Amino acid sequence: GQSLEQPSEVTAVEGAIVQINCTYQTSGFYGLSWYQQHDGGAPTFLSYNALDGLEETGRFSSFLSRSDSYGYLLLQELQMKDSASYFCAVRVIMNTGFQKLVFGTGTRLLVSP
Amino acid sequence: GAVVSQHPSRVICKSGTSVKIECRSLDFQATTMFWYRQFPKQSLMLMATSNEGSKATYEQGVEKDKFLINHASLTLSTLTVTSAHPEDSSFYICSARDRAGAYNEQFFGPGTRLTVL
Repeated sequence: GQSLEQPSEVTAVEGAIVQINCTYQTSGFYGLSWYQQHDGGAPTFLSYNALDGLEETGRFSSFLSRSDSYGYLLLQELQMKDSASYFCAVRVIMNTGFQKLVFGTGTRLLVSP
Repeated sequence: GAVVSQHPSRVICKSGTSVKIECRSLDFQATTMFWYRQFPKQSLMLMATSNEGSKATYEQGVEKDKFLINHASLTLSTLTVTSAHPEDSSFYICSARDRAGAYNEQFFGPGTRLTVL
């Protein structure tokens, strides 16, 4: 099976930098994705790492260390609209050869003025 | 970007009835679609993976006779909750993979909130 752990909640102020960690245990690991979800909304794709290292996309960056089964999402210049839940998700290869996403426990980010 | 739609967005039904939820990829072909369930303040739990033209693959613990999935075309998958009960009340989200996308990424529909009375 798969298991992914994230902190349940993180708080920060506008303009700050916050890091959300994700540790995982899985077989058939293919890559690590990050999604943002506002209350009542659909998850939206933020970033993806297939290889070790840092991927930067605007204010968001994501890091992966496959040897440590660990990744993080870094959010810079926080804005109020960044208040949402953030999920890491591992891409795993199934026996059929197809991929599927398995989501972490989610981290609720609260940004205050 | 790739768009996935779901219908209906919200449904309330009586216990014992069946409910069908549609998921469509609007501007791309999705050979693989996924169905998730999410309870309040919890994570998304994968229910099943469906490939166009073949039977769905259900995750452990998901009753295939209760949650019927049909993936009849490259742009449409349906989830039918049969004989729904209050414990089936949840947020159901579909997702479709755009194989032509830069990251072979999954895009999510807006979700369907099911309430069973």
